[in-house]
Amino acid sequence: NAGVTQTPKFQVLKTGQSMTLQCAQDMNHNSMYWYRQDPGMGLRLIYYSASEGTTDKGEVPNGYNVSRLNKREFSLRLESAAPSQTSVYFCASRGTSGYNEQFFGPGTRLTVL
Amino acid sequence: QKEVEQNSGPLSVPEGAIASLNCTYSDRVSQSFFWYRQYSGKSPELIMSIYSNGDKEDGRFTAQLNKASQYVSLLIRDSQPSDSATYLCAVLSYNTDKLIFGTGTRLQVFP
Repeated sequence: NAGVTQTPKFQVLKTGQSMTLQCAQDMNHNSMYWYRQDPGMGLRLIYYSASEGTTDKGEVPNGYNVSRLNKREFSLRLESAAPSQTSVYFCASRGTSGYNEQFFGPGTRLTVL
Repeated sequence: QKEVEQNSGPLSVPEGAIASLNCTYSDRVSQSFFWYRQYSGKSPELIMSIYSNGDKEDGRFTAQLNKASQYVSLLIRDSQPSDSATYLCAVLSYNTDKLIFGTGTRLQVFP
């Protein structure tokens, strides 16, 4: 039972390049989330998916797209990376029954030059 | 007013003391409350969940919830240097899919 996994762990991009961050969970959770965390800013929600086939914008969606490929996987795409997207990205998933607890993946540290 | 407020700290306590971390929230219909611990360079780790008024204890950790005052706290007894981290308070409101996070309190436990 791996929980929430993310790939890659680290990535360096040049301005204008594109990339996809991958996230998968094995807890049979309905809801999945993408956050970014910057020094002094706390966790900011980029996009989320309440269930397979649905996605919604969070607090800071500009410059990002997401795909909820199936119940397990939720990817985040940067179409044209900008230095302002340098950050640590966390994926999370949450159960929607019982205690509704949310668990985070290990994160991806992205640098855009 | 921020939806979830925490003092950013740092909160410095000596080893063996009780560390008290506080959080207030603005949405009266909030129903679930969580404390996460985040070590530098790591992801947030869930350490406590609380849903009912009162205290919930788990080892050295006690979460306290007062819905009337819109206040949730985390007590860490017998604090250890390994408890030094940032503690994030998170709140789930009724009929929503999103946790609202505070910006965290940095705790430093010195030997």
